[in-house]
Amino acid sequence: EVQLVQSGAEVKKPGESLKISCKASGYSFTSYWIGWVRQMPGKGLEWMGIIYPGDSDTRYSPSFQGQVTISVDKSISTAYLQWSSLKASDTAMYYCARRLRCGSDCYDFDYWGQGTLVTVSS
Amino acid sequence: QSALTQPPSASGSPGQSVTISCTGTSSDVGGYNYVSWYQQHPGKAPKLMIYEVSKRPSGVPDRFSGSKSGNTASLTVSGLQAEDEADYYCSSYAGSNKYVVFGGGTKVTVL
Repeated sequence: EVQLVQSGAEVKKPGESLKISCKASGYSFTSYWIGWVRQMPGKGLEWMGIIYPGDSDTRYSPSFQGQVTISVDKSISTAYLQWSSLKASDTAMYYCARRLRCGSDCYDFDYWGQGTLVTVSS
Repeated sequence: QSALTQPPSASGSPGQSVTISCTGTSSDVGGYNYVSWYQQHPGKAPKLMIYEVSKRPSGVPDRFSGSKSGNTASLTVSGLQAEDEADYYCSSYAGSNKYVVFGGGTKVTVL
């Protein structure tokens, strides 16, 4: 059974750093892209970026390029999303998700983690 | 402001059909056959319902169908059921610079 299990909720202060995780199981981790999606409180979905664990090829939405870093640790089948200096506007639910096997420009997600709530407040 | 435009709400009675529109531009919806639809229940992760305009992932009922004409894509839910009440988001590939853009979401209410 494919599962993506995310790390728990975080409460941080502005300026602090953070790394949240997404542990995959039930499939070949290095064979599927994993992406991250943001959902701010009461708002819609935003595609942040995606990484291929096989070679760490990473692609970012222009809105998130330079704001976050996506990485993986193949040895433990885990993907990460990290910030070096959080802002209050980073307060949101963050989902990791596995890319569906589909067309070359299809970046849709078929399996999702449960979400990690990040709260940034002074 | 979302890149793709969806109506904020839609509704229908059980057994009826509801259609949600998703309007973009020739740089996203109109330019590629990579439109998808996600269903999200409150407090839950999104679920992929339609990809590549009209394909259904395994396990998604055939009551859900997708289509596209020009810069506007549509999701139709036929035979509405109580469990279809949720938020629905469209998304589209938008080129190798933007990758994926989403609509603002449509809340579907089953009356």
